[in-house]
Amino acid sequence: DAGITQSPRHKVTETGTPVTLRCHQTENHRYMYWYRQDPGHGLRLIHYSYGVKDTDKGEVSDGYSVSRSKTEDFLLTLESATSSQTSVYFCAISELGQAYGYTFGSGTRLTVV
Amino acid sequence: EDKVVQSPLSLVVHEGDTVTLNCSYEVTNFRSLLWYKQEKKAPTFLFMLTSSGIEKKSGRLSSILDKKELSSILNITATQTGDSAIYLCAVPFQGAQKLVFGQGTRLTINP
Repeated sequence: DAGITQSPRHKVTETGTPVTLRCHQTENHRYMYWYRQDPGHGLRLIHYSYGVKDTDKGEVSDGYSVSRSKTEDFLLTLESATSSQTSVYFCAISELGQAYGYTFGSGTRLTVV
Repeated sequence: EDKVVQSPLSLVVHEGDTVTLNCSYEVTNFRSLLWYKQEKKAPTFLFMLTSSGIEKKSGRLSSILDKKELSSILNITATQTGDSAIYLCAVPFQGAQKLVFGQGTRLTINP
């Protein structure tokens, strides 16, 4: 996916451990988003950022925190991972926050055992 | 609360069939509705429908917005195995800064 990369691509972690997922963009877009995808739920917004150090909660933010200290990086942290956070996590970027301008990363598959 | 609902959640058809996927929405200050196709990885953009552009077509895919019924359909004619994917419908809210997605329809095309 040109301009946006997620790391790691896959991760298995134990319940109770902290986990950080990274989204990196080279497009200098202002808006960045973290979504999770689970069967039967589509994509659900966790947190988003509308600028450096400017973030806001989405519909499923409990148990997650984010940070954006640089335009290009948006970090998602699970402070104490639980099995319910097993999911595929997608990062997206948008220059103006306009819906048609979203570009998605390739996703991170996280398994909490 | 803003909500997007898709149906069916899963659909299996034979190659060559025509399919219709549905999306209904309840969103304050409707601006647009988007369709995405998701194969193995990231969703990719298909169409955006707005109040001024209620019908879009690209090859075998077409989509219509029904503002009265607060819904949209995505049609795929002469389906091919490459059409197998999850199809997602989404609507922007909160000043168009965020997208609300439906649950997705998993479409499987059998040869």
